Amino acid sequence: EVQLLESGGGLVQPGGSLGLSCAASGFTFSNFAMHWVRQTPGKGLEWVAAFSTHDGVYYSDSVRGRFIVSRDESQSTFHLQMNRLRAEDTALYYCVKSTKKEVPRPYFDFWGQGAVVAVSS
Amino acid sequence: DVHLTQSPSSLSAFVGDSVTIHCRASQAIGTYLAWYQQKSGKAPELLISGASSLQSGVPLRFSGGGYGTDFTLTISGLQPEDFATYYCQQGDFYPWTFGQGTRVEIK
Repeated sequence: EVQLLESGGGLVQPGGSLGLSCAASGFTFSNFAMHWVRQTPGKGLEWVAAFSTHDGVYYSDSVRGRFIVSRDESQSTFHLQMNRLRAEDTALYYCVKSTKKEVPRPYFDFWGQGAVVAVSS
Repeated sequence: DVHLTQSPSSLSAFVGDSVTIHCRASQAIGTYLAWYQQKSGKAPELLISGASSLQSGVPLRFSGGGYGTDFTLTISGLQPEDFATYYCQQGDFYPWTFGQGTRVEIK
């Protein structure tokens, strides 16, 4: 059974940093690209970033230069380091498995339960 | 960015009704379209990929179609567990984008 367990969310002040982690199990982690997707009531679902061992790292324009995505193949974990956080980064962040090993042209077949990130003073 | 517009934004229907949700892309995306179901308080679940390919375990009452810019998700014979919000997602062009959602409610 595929499981994706996020951790690390919380409340942070604008300009601060926060890290999210995702522990993956139930599939061969190195064979699939992994993505972060966030959700807010106002903007809906928004793709954030992705990492594949086959074709590297991708970021949305809204987070590029502030967020860093990484993965640890030995631990089957996926990470999102969020720096210079803004109020508009407030969202529920999902760790998401792709149906394929490459990042481009993704479909998302398994989602974690989500981690809440709140950016507020 | 490819903008996806879903219609209607919400609909009410009876158990047993058939409903169709539309997703229009701002530019042609071939068949690189997926549909997701999200129930209250839960993560989205993939129903259909490649515009019409049903994921394993998804009931046959769900079907998808379309090509280019216009796509549909049809639920033939709504069941109580189908009342949820449905999203389309395009996978053709980076950055990958989602529609705003269609909420299906019980009448």
